[in-house]
Amino acid sequence: EAQVTQNPRYLITVTGKKLTVTCSQNMNHEYMSWYRQDPGLGLRQIYYSMNVEVTDKGDVPEGYKVSRKEKRNFPLILESPSPNQTSLYFCASSLSRQAGELFFGEGSRLTVL
Amino acid sequence: GENVEQHPSTLSVQEGDSAVIKCTYSDSASNYFPWYKQELGKGPQLIIDIRSNVGEKKDQRIAVTLNKTAKHFSLHITETQPEDSAVYFCAASGGGGADGLTFGKGTHLIIQP
Repeated sequence: EAQVTQNPRYLITVTGKKLTVTCSQNMNHEYMSWYRQDPGLGLRQIYYSMNVEVTDKGDVPEGYKVSRKEKRNFPLILESPSPNQTSLYFCASSLSRQAGELFFGEGSRLTVL
Repeated sequence: GENVEQHPSTLSVQEGDSAVIKCTYSDSASNYFPWYKQELGKGPQLIIDIRSNVGEKKDQRIAVTLNKTAKHFSLHITETQPEDSAVYFCAASGGGGADGLTFGKGTHLIIQP
């Protein structure tokens, strides 16, 4: 089954404790992206990657890092999480940057205390 | 950068009636306009999209219209059913595809039985 898989789905952590949210897609997609969803703010792009070893900042990259060492994986790293990073995070992928459809994962709800 | 405004934020309609959600965009270079549906606890899923060389597109009970001059586009759902209850996001992109999508803040559509 074609899918984007994120882990963990739910996480409660404390300020400053490094964490990684993994994202994997099995569709051989070139383009991958991370979004955060906050009430009243919609979906905002954090980082994106057009292909292996190519990453770039989105609209709200502060406090986040990403890497794209393999085509299928695009982890989101929070080196020192803060309460304002409490949010619902979505990983998404697309065949290419020009392709229309984004395929989203089920989301990872992160709470930083 | 692009700015996408979406209205209304909440829309309640009787089952069987029509629902219309409207979006405006700021960048006249935008040329790709998708609509995503997000059901409770899931990631957004593409339901319909339109490109700037087309004025209207229809898929069964859903349709999207685009007015490039006025820089607005709308989602129309006819004969609404309970399974249409969800959050709907519009988006706009100047790259013609998944890259560079700017999302609206979302509309919570409630179908009243």
